[in-house]
Formats: sequence, structure tokens, C-alpha cells
Amino acid sequence: GNSVTQMEGPVTLSEEAFLTINCTYTATGYPSLFWYVQYPGEGLQLLLKATKADDKGSNKGFEATYRKETTSFHLEKGSVQVSDSAVYFCALSLQTGANNLFFGTGTRLTVIP
Amino acid sequence: DTEVTQTPKHLVMGMTNKKSLKCEQHMGHRAMYWYKQKAKKPPELMFVYSYEKLSINESVPSRFSPECPNSSLLNLHLHALQPEDSALYLCASSPREGPDTQYFGPGTRLTVL
Repeated sequence: GNSVTQMEGPVTLSEEAFLTINCTYTATGYPSLFWYVQYPGEGLQLLLKATKADDKGSNKGFEATYRKETTSFHLEKGSVQVSDSAVYFCALSLQTGANNLFFGTGTRLTVIP
Repeated sequence: DTEVTQTPKHLVMGMTNKKSLKCEQHMGHRAMYWYKQKAKKPPELMFVYSYEKLSINESVPSRFSPECPNSSLLNLHLHALQPEDSALYLCASSPREGPDTQYFGPGTRLTVL
């Protein structure tokens, strides 16, 4: 089947700390991979994406590399800010068939000053 | 215009009421989605419309009735809801049904009394 597993939260970091949120996937085909972010009280915003192996998605200082050999798409940021506090969802979408997004359970990040 | 809008932002309704949620996009996208998100959970897909036709219904109870009057609009009609239906209802759109990025609206927070 198709599924996404991401690290349990919550994650609490001090400002300027390094962030890693792990994400691994299982897919029957060749997925596109996404990170979405949800700020408190809001909908989901696309943070970054990668559509094939070895692609690196990046945005606002966040990066994730599509690793087919380890079926992973870990999210990293070198120096987090208080404004990065949010819930982060890893997701996959298959290249064929219906565009169902399979979401991970979400990881809540809190950054303290 | 790269936005998905949803109205109302908040809705409180009784179990005997009939209400509707509205979603609108002007990006020319031909696929539109309804998701339900409970607290601290990832979004769950409810319906997919592709070219104004219902493509996917994820076994949603008939008290939820979707409608796509045209390519820019998506409605979700609500009738005889239960308290457990209280959740954040998210609308999304993508250029087409397939592995395209989905763009989410801010959601409607629904409370059923």
C-alpha cells in the first residue's frame, strides 16, 4: 500500500537550532513527495516538493532530498526561527491514478526564543 | 490569483440545520477536493471533482453532499450532522487530477452542537 511515516512530535527547539524532521514512505509506484506546513488556525501551505529521485526541494531555508534508496524525504533547516512554529506534514502523491495525497501524521514544531 | 478561498471561516450549526460550505479558485484548476481534518490529525480526503464531475467519494456519509456548479466553485452541503462531524473542512485545488501540487484554502471550522 501507500503510506507516509514521519517522526513523532512534538519537537521543541531553541531559536537558531538545526531542525530535522524524518519522513519515510511506502509507495506502489513512483511518488511525488511534499512537505506542507500548517500554522495555527490556518489551512495547509505547500512548503516544498520533489518529483523524482535525487531531486532537492527547497524554500524559506528548508530543504528535503528525495532519496529513493532509503525511501526518505527528511526535512531540514539550518537555523529555525520562532515564526517556524507550526505543524509539518510529509505527503506523497502517486504519478499515476487519482491525485490522492497520502499524509503523514504531522509533526508539531515549537521554537522558543 | 493563486488563492483558494473558503467561506465561511467559522460555522456553528445544530444537528437539524442545513448549511453549505463554499470554496472558490480562479487559477484555472480542473481538480478540486474536500478534506476533513480533526484536531491533531492529518487531513482526510472526502471527495474529488475532476472537470466538474465527481471522481472520488471516500465512503463519506450522505449527510455530506458535494456540488461543483462550475470549474471555479465547489460546495459542500451539510444536513443532519452529528457532533462528531465537528472539524476543520479544507478545500484544495490542483491543475488536474494527477500528481500535481494541491493548493489549500484556509478552511472552515465547523462546530455541530
